[in-house]
Amino acid sequence: KAGVTQTPRYLIKTRGQQVTLSCSPISGHRSVSWYQQTPGQGLQFLFEYFSETQRNKGNFPGRFSGRQFSNSRSEMNVSTLELGDSALYLCASSGGGQNYGYTFGSGTRLTVV
Amino acid sequence: AQTVTQSQPEMSVQEAETVTLSCTYDTSESNYYLFWYKQPPSRQMILVIRQEAYKQQNATENRFSVNFQKAAKSFSLKISDSQLWDTAMYFCAFMTIQGAQKLVFGQGTRLTINP
Repeated sequence: KAGVTQTPRYLIKTRGQQVTLSCSPISGHRSVSWYQQTPGQGLQFLFEYFSETQRNKGNFPGRFSGRQFSNSRSEMNVSTLELGDSALYLCASSGGGQNYGYTFGSGTRLTVV
Repeated sequence: AQTVTQSQPEMSVQEAETVTLSCTYDTSESNYYLFWYKQPPSRQMILVIRQEAYKQQNATENRFSVNFQKAAKSFSLKISDSQLWDTAMYFCAFMTIQGAQKLVFGQGTRLTINP
């Protein structure tokens, strides 16, 4: 069974640009969550999607958005990039039920210069 | 709001020793999930062990076990016979059963296993 796949692995962007990150969950998983990991703030929840609907959102500005497609794949978009957006962005999927808990991908390392 | 605290930023032990990582959390809920995740240099967060709050029996997974003290809101991880590949960041995490399905993480403990 393939794991959670995130692309790309690394990205370098310039301030003011926008970026889109992609996440393919484990087959059959309908819940996809995104987290931002930085040395200063640690791991912070961005949002969660379930069946193409955003169910929960963390405390991030509106520049951070996402969506989920009918095949459960998810994308995360950050517009007007700032230096502080440099981070590891982790995607996680869950099948719910007795298999509670999330399986993570390897993340996308975003560097804003 | 729930919070998770890991009071040990770094720990270091010799191979084959037993090590215990501490975690405390704060919540007003009576039922929830608790997790320990491991993040090696490869960056991927790997689920080590999980516990449902309503289960009194402590979870175990091979060399990994937890000491879950619900009243004290404590959830420590014990690694027995530690191996070099156990070297990683370890994160304790909380997730509510009702409401927002999100993980609340502690700040992590950097564990180094020395040969």
